[in-house]
Amino acid sequence: EADIYQTPRYLVIGTGKKITLECSQTMGHDKMYWYQQDPGMELHLIHYSYGVNSTEKGDLSSESTVSRIRTEHFPLTLESARPSHTSQYLCASSEEGTGYEQYFGPGTRLTVT
Amino acid sequence: GENVEQHPSTLSVQEGDSAVIKCTYSDSASNYFPWYKQELGKRPQLIIDIRSNVGEKKDQRIAVTLNKTAKHFSLHITETQPEDSAVYFCAASKEGGSYIPTFGRGTSLIVHP
Repeated sequence: EADIYQTPRYLVIGTGKKITLECSQTMGHDKMYWYQQDPGMELHLIHYSYGVNSTEKGDLSSESTVSRIRTEHFPLTLESARPSHTSQYLCASSEEGTGYEQYFGPGTRLTVT
Repeated sequence: GENVEQHPSTLSVQEGDSAVIKCTYSDSASNYFPWYKQELGKRPQLIIDIRSNVGEKKDQRIAVTLNKTAKHFSLHITETQPEDSAVYFCAASKEGGSYIPTFGRGTSLIVHP
């Protein structure tokens, strides 16, 4: 089924650890995005990509990095997690050409202790 | 860049009442305006969208209106039900090219039974 997937769904880690949040979509979309969102609060764009080998920083300053080696895969890496990174991370994708609707993944809820 | 203002931040209504959420945008070149609904603990999902070549669009109990001259658009929900309780986000974007949508800060709608 065409969808957008995120793993893990929940993650509790200690300060200083390196983590990678996975995002994959099976819709063949060119554009992909990462948002940071505290529960029920506004969506902060932290990274986006127009396609393979394209990565851009969003509006929210972030200590994370992303890569886009394959169309379907857009992982986000935190080199050294801190308690201020505790939040929910939402991945999204959209197609250029029709609709422009963004499809969101289920999110990863990250807690850094 | 684009700036989207969304009001109110919280809206409380009685079941059966109507609810209106308003957004303004700054870039007159924006031409695509989606609305997303995010239920508690779930991902945002598109509920309705409008393009700049139309002034109003309806889908059952929800409707969106667009005033290009004033650069504002609104979400209207009639005969509200408890399951309408959620956070609603508006966004503005431009179709085509390298444009990334800009989101409003969200409105928490609470429908009291």
